[in-house]
Formats: sequence, C-alpha cells, structure tokens
Amino acid sequence: EAQVTQNPRYLITVTGKKLTVTCSQNMNHEYMSWYRQDPGLGLRQIYYSMNVEVTDKGDVPEGYKVSRKEKRNFPLILESPSPNQTSLYFCASSFSREKTQYFGPGTRLLVL
Amino acid sequence: GENVEQHPSTLSVQEGDSAVIKCTYSDSASNYFPWYKQELGKRPQLIIDIRSNVGEKKDQRIAVTLNKTAKHFSLHITETQPEDSAVYFCAAYQGTNAGKSTFGDGTTLTVKP
Repeated sequence: EAQVTQNPRYLITVTGKKLTVTCSQNMNHEYMSWYRQDPGLGLRQIYYSMNVEVTDKGDVPEGYKVSRKEKRNFPLILESPSPNQTSLYFCASSFSREKTQYFGPGTRLLVL
Repeated sequence: GENVEQHPSTLSVQEGDSAVIKCTYSDSASNYFPWYKQELGKRPQLIIDIRSNVGEKKDQRIAVTLNKTAKHFSLHITETQPEDSAVYFCAAYQGTNAGKSTFGDGTTLTVKP
C-alpha cells in the first residue's frame, strides 16, 4: 500500500531531551516536506527536500534539523526541544512540488 | 518572504448552496497554488490545484480561479453537501525557492443539512 508513515504518532518529552521523528514513504517520491500545525495558524513549513542530499529551510526552521540520506526517509530532529515546539507535525511527499502531495498521519508532540 | 491571507476564517452555508474561499498572496513569483481539505482529526488531502499559466480549473463540484494581476485565487464549491464540512487550506509555492510553500490559516466550512 502506497503510504507515508511517521513515528512516533504521539510523544511526550521534556525540555532539552533530543528527539527524532521519522518519516518514510514507499512511493519513490523525490519531494518531501515537514510541517507543523498549530490552532489558528494553519500549516507552516519547517524544511523541505527536493531530492536526496538536497534540503532547504521553510518558513519556521529554527530549532529543527533534517537529513535526507536516502530517498524514502526524511527524519525531523529536535536537538533541544522547548515547550513552544509543542505541536502537531506532518510529513508529506510527492513526485515533485507540483504533483499531489501525500501527508503522513501526523505526530502529536508535547514538550513539558 | 511570501505571505498568504485566507478569508473567511469560518463559513457556514446551507446544504445545496455554494461556498467561496479566497486567498491573496504577496510574492508575484509564486506559481503553484494547491487547495487542501482537512477533516477533523485527519491529515490534509489535496482537492484541487492550479498553476500560474492557467486562469481556472474545475473538477466536478469544485473549481479554482486565479487572478495573477490581483494576486488572489479562490476555491468555489457548488451544491455543497454535509460531507464538505471541513477545514480548507490554500497554499502558494514560490517560484524562486521552488520547494518552499506558505499556507493560509484555514477556513472552517460548515454545511448545514
């Protein structure tokens, strides 16, 4: 089944404890992207990747890191999480930026 | 950077009526404009998109129009049904930073039976 998966789906952590949210797609998509969704603020792009080893900043990259070592995976890293990073995170992928973008199920993160 | 404003933030219509959601963008280099639907507790899903070389696109009850001069694009839903109730987001992809996107804040559409 063609899909985008994210793990974990729910995470409660404490300030400063490094964490990684994984994202994987099995559709051979070149374009991948991370968003955060907060009430009333819509979706805000954190980072995106046009292809393997090519990543770039979105509108809200501060406090996040990404890597794209292989086509299918695009992990999101929070080196030192803070409470303002409490949010719902979505990973998405598509063949290119102008093709249908498929979203993962989301990861709900709470930073205490 | 790009700024996308979406209006209205909430919209309530009677079943069978039409609904229109409008977005304006600031960067004239933006050239790809998708619309997403997000039902409660679910992930966003693409419902229609338009590129800057096209003025209008239609898919059954859904249409999108683009006015490049005025830098706005609109989602039109005709013959609304209760299952159209959801949050709708517009987005603009910048031509200069090809993968960078900016979303509107969303419109909560409620279709009353």
